[in-house]
Amino acid sequence: GEDVEQSLFLSVREGDSSVINCTYTDSSSTYLYWYKQEPGAGLQLLTYIFSNMDMKQDQRLTVLLNKKDKHLSLRIADTQTGDSAIYFCAEKGGGYQKVTFGIGTKLQVIP
Amino acid sequence: DAGVIQSPRHEVTEMGQEVTLRCKPISGHNSLFWYRQTMMRGLELLIYFNNNVPIDDSGMPEDRFSAKMPNASFSTLKIQPSEPRDSAVYFCASSRTSSDSYNEQFFGPGTRLTVL
Repeated sequence: GEDVEQSLFLSVREGDSSVINCTYTDSSSTYLYWYKQEPGAGLQLLTYIFSNMDMKQDQRLTVLLNKKDKHLSLRIADTQTGDSAIYFCAEKGGGYQKVTFGIGTKLQVIP
Repeated sequence: DAGVIQSPRHEVTEMGQEVTLRCKPISGHNSLFWYRQTMMRGLELLIYFNNNVPIDDSGMPEDRFSAKMPNASFSTLKIQPSEPRDSAVYFCASSRTSSDSYNEQFFGPGTRLTVL
């Protein structure tokens, strides 16, 4: 079945860039997502990328997709303490509503 | 819009008791998902409904778990009998289904279940 893997933990200093990486196995993925979960809350969609794109930029966020290697990354520029959260990578296959989530990467921003 | 509403927010119960979690999806959304989140296993999809019909329940752990969606505005997840290993945060999410769209899922705040 589909699998999404990501590292569990990342620590960065405030003002630095953060890069969270993810790999997935489903070669028929149509959309890939980054969701953010703040403490005590549900997940919220941060950004997404369609599988025929290789990059998407949205203010401080840059998503890179390497479809050949099935690798997705999220770069957060000028990381702030408010960016501390768990970030989930997720993918959706074609013609099906199920989204497979990774285990989540906990981002700790040190002031 | 109020977003996805879940109740209760916290539930503490004793092993063997029945637990019912409730979810009200966003109006107009036609897909509903139940997830379970634990430290060990991360976020697991338990079941999902499309137009009130269960489509994929392969993630339901065992027969002790059951889910219903009697109408477009309400769903329940029931655990009977509950066990300590069921302790987790249970999320409900909904989305507006479209085959050619990114189909953002909107998550509720979750129900933190503790089974003693």
